Amino acid sequence: EAGVTQFPSHSVIEKGQTVTLRCDPISGHDNLYWYRRVMGKEIKFLLHFVKESKQDESGMPNNRFLAERTGGTYSTLKVQPAELEDSGVYFCASSSRDRAHEQYFGPGTRLTVT
Amino acid sequence: AQSVTQLGSHVSVSEGALVLLRCNYSSSVPPYLFWYVQYPNQGLQLLLKYTTGATLVKGINGFEAEFKKSETSFHLTKPSAHMSDAAEYFCAVSLGGADGLTFGKGTHLIIQP
Repeated sequence: EAGVTQFPSHSVIEKGQTVTLRCDPISGHDNLYWYRRVMGKEIKFLLHFVKESKQDESGMPNNRFLAERTGGTYSTLKVQPAELEDSGVYFCASSSRDRAHEQYFGPGTRLTVT
Repeated sequence: AQSVTQLGSHVSVSEGALVLLRCNYSSSVPPYLFWYVQYPNQGLQLLLKYTTGATLVKGINGFEAEFKKSETSFHLTKPSAHMSDAAEYFCAVSLGGADGLTFGKGTHLIIQP
């Protein structure tokens, strides 16, 4: 069974540009989460999808961040326009409906905004 | 609101020595507790979890943790450290179910030969 995959693994963009991160959860997992770790700080929750619906987006920093999960499969997280403080590692995780508390994480996307 | 405190951003132990990584939490309701490990250039891997029932939980790679409600702690231990245990370890708490996780800042475990 394939794990959670994320693309790209690294992205370097200039301030003001747009970046889109992609997450493919484990097949059949209804729950999908985005987290972010800014350097030197803890991993922070951004939002949670149940299938294609946003269940909790309380951790989204501001309206420059837009997450989608069309069709309830893969998800994208778009940052537009990117700011320096958006640099960090963005993790995606997924869990099944039956064992919702067991989240499986992807390897993360390291975003650097210069 | 929940929070997690991991004592020590770096912990160094000798190979074969006891590993003890500390985690204290605060939660308004009985928490679900987790330890994750991140090896270099990899994602987070679930080591072990406490949901309900037995307070001593065993995980992968010989690690275990004990939930102590009176101390609001969930410390991670391993009797004998191995070089392959060198990684960053994260303690996390949730309200249960499908809720998002609240993480501590992480602890780098360094194994001295």
